[in-house]
Amino acid sequence: NAGVTQTPKFRVLKTGQSMTLLCAQDMNHEYMYWYRQDPGMGLRLIHYSVGEGTTAKGEVPDGYNVSRLKKQNFLLGLESAAPSQTSVYFCASKQGLYNEQFFGPGTRLTVL
Amino acid sequence: QQQVKQSPQSLIVQKGGISIINCAYENTAFDYFPWYQQFPGKGPALLIAIRPDVSEKKEGRFTISFNKSAKQFSLHIMDSQPGDSATYFCAARRGTSYGKLTFGQGTILTVHP
Repeated sequence: NAGVTQTPKFRVLKTGQSMTLLCAQDMNHEYMYWYRQDPGMGLRLIHYSVGEGTTAKGEVPDGYNVSRLKKQNFLLGLESAAPSQTSVYFCASKQGLYNEQFFGPGTRLTVL
Repeated sequence: QQQVKQSPQSLIVQKGGISIINCAYENTAFDYFPWYQQFPGKGPALLIAIRPDVSEKKEGRFTISFNKSAKQFSLHIMDSQPGDSATYFCAARRGTSYGKLTFGQGTILTVHP
């Protein structure tokens, strides 16, 4: 099992450009999450999904959109990137409501 | 609004010493308190977790102490090793919140040989 994988690992964008981050899990997990990690702020939840076809807003959703068309994939989109979105993005998944979250290796995004 | 506050931001310990990281929370509806360990360039991984019906949980050299009345919990790393050098995050979850975690700010632990 590959677990949780994220694509790409690194990306540099210019302000106003768009991109999509892909998260894939091969554990048949129901729940999936997108976090951003910034120094001194821990991990903050952007959006999450409780199953295929569902999405919901987290703590910091502004400027991001998500889709979960397939159970194994959770996409995070930035329609018009801003320097404030420079961060490391982590995806996580879990099976049941009370199980642990498994994290991917992260995507380091820089917006110039 | 930071519902889980973690301290210190950074910690330097000598090999063999005890590392202590503290967290405080505000929401009494939290019912699960995990600690995550993150190595550079990697995603966080669950280290140890506790529920509020117990005051302490130990797994090897790692112990969580939980004080429900004070709304505080802490991670103790006994006999700290250079391989323990990592960033540690405390977190909290409300049982009715679709498994969403609220994280503390993180502590960068450095263990000198």
